[in-house]
Amino acid sequence: KAGVTQTPRYLIKTRGQQVTLSCSPISGHRSVSWYQQTPGQGLQFLFEYFSETQRNKGNFPGRFSGRQFSNSRSEMNVSTLELGDSALYLCASSLGGGINSPLHFGNGTRLTVT
Amino acid sequence: GQQLNQSPQSMFIQEGEDVSMNCTSSSIFNTWLWYKQDPGEGPVLLIALYKAGELTSNGRLTAQFGITRKDSFLNISASIPSDVGIYFCAGRDQAGTALIFGKGTTLSVSS
Repeated sequence: KAGVTQTPRYLIKTRGQQVTLSCSPISGHRSVSWYQQTPGQGLQFLFEYFSETQRNKGNFPGRFSGRQFSNSRSEMNVSTLELGDSALYLCASSLGGGINSPLHFGNGTRLTVT
Repeated sequence: GQQLNQSPQSMFIQEGEDVSMNCTSSSIFNTWLWYKQDPGEGPVLLIALYKAGELTSNGRLTAQFGITRKDSFLNISASIPSDVGIYFCAGRDQAGTALIFGKGTTLSVSS
C-alpha cells in the first residue's frame, strides 16, 4: 500500500509570494491533517480535513488555508509568505480521525522563504 | 492550550544500553502515540496506546499509557545504532480533536 505522498519535496520562495503544497493520503484514508515543523516549535497543528470539510484548526493566521478534494487529496496554501514560514510542512492521513486512528505521515515539503 | 512535556530533550548513550523517555500532559488523554523521525523523513508510528494502564511492545520498544491518563513512557532495550533519531510522543484528549506533539527526544547512540 502506498504511503502518504507529498509534493514537492523542496520549495524556495520569496517573501510576499504564495505557495501551494499537495498531499495524497493513503488509499482509503479520509482524514488529512497538516503540521508545521520547526526546530524551535516542534510539530504545530495547522488543520485537519475530513470528507472535504475542515474539522479542526490550529492557531495559525488566515494566510494559511487548506482544502480537501472528493478523492481525499488535500492542498494547503500559504499566502503573503514571511521569513518565519520557512519550515517542514508535514501531511498525515488517518482512516477517520477518531481516537483509534493514528496519523501516518508523509516525508514533508521543505519550504524555504528568502 | 494543551501542553505536552517530553523529557529528556536529548540522550547520548552507548550501544547496548537501555533508554527511557516520557511525556506528561496538563490534561487527561484518551490516546498516546509514539513516533520516530529520521533525518529528511516524516515521523513514523512506533506504538499506539488507547487504554489507561495499557502496556504495548514492538520488538525492543515498550510503551505504557499511564494510569492517571496524563503520562506515557517509551523504553528501548539494548539500543543499536539505527535507533538514532528523534522520538516524539503525541496525544489526543477525545475523539475528533487534533493530535498534539511533544517537542521530541533526540537519541544518539555510539558504538
